[in-house]
Amino acid sequence: DAGVIQSPRHEVTEMGQEVTLRCKPISGHNSLFWYRQTMMRGLELLIYFNNNVPIDDSGMPEDRFSAKMPNASFSTLKIQPSEPRDSAVYFCASIIQQGGNYGYTFGSGTRLTVV
Amino acid sequence: GNSVTQMEGPVTLSEEAFLTINCTYTATGYPSLFWYVQYPGEGLQLLLKATKADDKGSNKGFEATYRKETTSFHLEKGSVQVSDSAVYFCALIIQGAQKLVFGQGTRLTINP
Repeated sequence: DAGVIQSPRHEVTEMGQEVTLRCKPISGHNSLFWYRQTMMRGLELLIYFNNNVPIDDSGMPEDRFSAKMPNASFSTLKIQPSEPRDSAVYFCASIIQQGGNYGYTFGSGTRLTVV
Repeated sequence: GNSVTQMEGPVTLSEEAFLTINCTYTATGYPSLFWYVQYPGEGLQLLLKATKADDKGSNKGFEATYRKETTSFHLEKGSVQVSDSAVYFCALIIQGAQKLVFGQGTRLTINP
């Protein structure tokens, strides 16, 4: 199993540009989560999907952020337009619940730098 | 609401020292508890978990016991190694829910 795959690993972009982060969850996992990690705020849950449907997007900071999950094997997090304060590491995680054994698996993250 | 509080870091120890990282929680329901570890430049990895009171999770020499009476899940290791240097996150999930709630993380550095 290749685990949760995120791309790109690193992204440097100029302020105002559109950024798209990608995630491929583990096959068979039915929930997907996007987290943002910064020194100041730690790990923040942005949005999560269950069976490809967005369940809770209350953590999405503002309208510049959007996320989609068109199918069970792919999700995107888009920032348009990007701002320097969006610089962070963005993690994707997927999960399958089996009798209380919560199998959360995280990707390696995308380090975003907006200059 | 549901929240997790960890001891403030950073924590710096010498190799072979005893480690304790404190974690306490508040929960509206009945939580499962986790410790995750993040090595430099990597994502979070599950280190250990406990799903009910008095359960002890263990892995790689680390242990944590689910203490309902003190709402705690402290992480311990008897003899740390340089390779244990990482950021450690305590987390909970309410059974039946899906959102994992993290503490703020504790950075651990082990010196040779």
